[in-house]
Amino acid sequence: KQEVTQIPAALSVPEGENLVLNCSFTDSAIYNLQWFRQDPGKGLTSLLLIQSSQREQTSGRLNASLDKSSGRSTLYIAASQPGDSATYLCAVTEEDFGNEKLTFGTGTRLTIIP
Amino acid sequence: ETGVTQTPRHLVMGMTNKKSLKCEQHLGHNAMYWYKQSAKKPLELMFVYSLEERVENNSVPSRFSPECPNSSHLFLHLHTLQPEDSALYLCASSQEGRAWGRGTNEKLFFGSGTQLSVL
Repeated sequence: KQEVTQIPAALSVPEGENLVLNCSFTDSAIYNLQWFRQDPGKGLTSLLLIQSSQREQTSGRLNASLDKSSGRSTLYIAASQPGDSATYLCAVTEEDFGNEKLTFGTGTRLTIIP
Repeated sequence: ETGVTQTPRHLVMGMTNKKSLKCEQHLGHNAMYWYKQSAKKPLELMFVYSLEERVENNSVPSRFSPECPNSSHLFLHLHTLQPEDSALYLCASSQEGRAWGRGTNEKLFFGSGTQLSVL
């Protein structure tokens, strides 16, 4: 059974610093890995999707990497801003008896201190 | 705005009530999903509809009843819920229809959710 782990559960950093969020998964037979952002009491916004054949994806100040063989992904945020404060979730997509199954981690709650 | 709208945003109901959650997507997508998000637990997939056919029912209790009248609308009918059903219920959509299950590397688009409290 796939398990997705995100450590730490919460992280606080001063504004302007670069930071890395971590995600690990137990079964490397995945189709893709996605990073989402969730603001309090709201839905998820997809930030980046890395296909299993890719190593990284970039969008603005965000860079996500994928090492499928070791079951790890990182989300790098450059020059952090208070508006980056949110919970960040990673999720992997895998086959499950002919269907796609998305398994989420529990997230890292990020606070950027002005 | 992600193009996926959920109503109501908040709902408080008693264990004997019957209520419905509504989701509408304006993206022209063919697949829609219900997820449950409980505190400190990963999102749990509840139901998947692809081209209005239910393709996934993830061992959800029968007190939750989904309905997908067309590819743009999805409902979750609730009756005789338990306090442990209190959670954020999220609707999502994606492009694929019948290709569900072929590793299509799709992005999911989520609504803002309905925060449900069962008393």
